[in-house]
Amino acid sequence: EVQLVESGGALVQPGGSLRLSCAASGFTFSDHWMHWVRQAPGKGLVWVSRIKTDGSRTHYADFVKGRFTISRDNAKNTLYLHMSSLRAEDTAIYYCARDAISPARPTFDHWGQGALVTVSS
Amino acid sequence: DIQMTQSPSSLSGSIGDRVTITCRASQTIDIYLNWYQQKIGKAPKLLISAASSLQSGVPSRFSGSGSGTDFTLTISSLQPEDFASYYCQQSYSTPLTFGGGTKVEIK
Repeated sequence: EVQLVESGGALVQPGGSLRLSCAASGFTFSDHWMHWVRQAPGKGLVWVSRIKTDGSRTHYADFVKGRFTISRDNAKNTLYLHMSSLRAEDTAIYYCARDAISPARPTFDHWGQGALVTVSS
Repeated sequence: DIQMTQSPSSLSGSIGDRVTITCRASQTIDIYLNWYQQKIGKAPKLLISAASSLQSGVPSRFSGSGSGTDFTLTISSLQPEDFASYYCQQSYSTPLTFGGGTKVEIK
């Protein structure tokens, strides 16, 4: 069974940093691109970032470029999102999501339960 | 960036109703459109990929159609477990973008 379990969500002050983790199991982690998607309270889904199977390519939404860094450790089957210079508008549930191998276009076929990040003083 | 516009933003339906949700892209995205269902307090679930490909385990009352810029998600006979929010997502280009969502409520 595919499982994605996020951790690291917390209350953090504006300007602070935080690292989210997503532990993957039940599939060959290194075969899949992985993503972070967020959802502000009561709002819709917003794609944040993605990383290639071997970590050699990454993409970011403009609103996090230069502040967030996605990475992965295939030996530990874990995806990360390092967030810095956090703003109130970054407050959201952050989901890690697996990219399906087929179709060969970004498709989120499994999601974690989410990690809540609250940015407030 | 490709903008995705869903309509309606909410709808009320009765058990057994046929329900249609539309999603329009700001430019052509071929068939690269996915649909997700999200229940309150839960993670989204993939329903349909590539505009019309039903995911394994998803009931056949769900169907998707469209290409280019205009897409639809249809629930042929609304069931109690279908009351949820639905999102479209384009997979044509980055940044990947979602529609604003459609909340399906009980009438």
